[in-house]
Amino acid sequence: DGGITQSPKYLFRKEGQNVTLSCEQNLNHDAMYWYRQDPGQGLRLIYYSQIVNDFQKGDIAEGYSVSREKKESFPLTVTSAQKNPTAFYLCASSIDLIAGVEQFFGPGTRLTVL
Amino acid sequence: AQSVTQLDSHVSVSEGTPVLLRCNYSSSYSPSLFWYVQHPNKGLQLLLKYTSAATLVKGINGFEAEFKKSETSFHLTKPSAHMSDAAEYFCVVSATQSGNTPLVFGKGTRLSVIA
Repeated sequence: DGGITQSPKYLFRKEGQNVTLSCEQNLNHDAMYWYRQDPGQGLRLIYYSQIVNDFQKGDIAEGYSVSREKKESFPLTVTSAQKNPTAFYLCASSIDLIAGVEQFFGPGTRLTVL
Repeated sequence: AQSVTQLDSHVSVSEGTPVLLRCNYSSSYSPSLFWYVQHPNKGLQLLLKYTSAATLVKGINGFEAEFKKSETSFHLTKPSAHMSDAAEYFCVVSATQSGNTPLVFGKGTRLSVIA
């Protein structure tokens, strides 16, 4: 089955801790993305990557970090600097970064800070 | 820069009646437009997309949307709502001539279907 997997589905974190969300795709897509979703605000772009070892900040990158060491993987770290990390996080991928191509989404990770 | 406005945060219809979810966009270039659907605690699924071909676009599950450049609109419709259509719907814009531009999402419209 081709697709995008995210793990874990639910994640709980204590304040002050860093936590890493996993995203893997087997679609052979070059571009990958991380979004944050809050109720009533739609999706906001955190980071995106066009190719391995390259990534760009999105609209709300502060308090987050990413890496792209492999084409298939694009993990997101939520650091203690992120003031309000409780949210639903979605990973996506597309064939490339050319405008107009559709993105494919993973099932999401719900992060709750205790 | 591009943006998208979904005119209703919540729409409620009875099962078997038509669905209309409204979307207006703004783009400096010829846009590509998408509608995605999200069921609770799930990822997003593409319903349909417009990329400068036919202005009336047919998607999955009986949905369709019409691109109207003069009105800068891309409204989503379905002739007859089904209970399984209850979900969050997102209108999305991407500019085709601005290089490496990620998608810009509207804030979503929650569709409720009443039995």
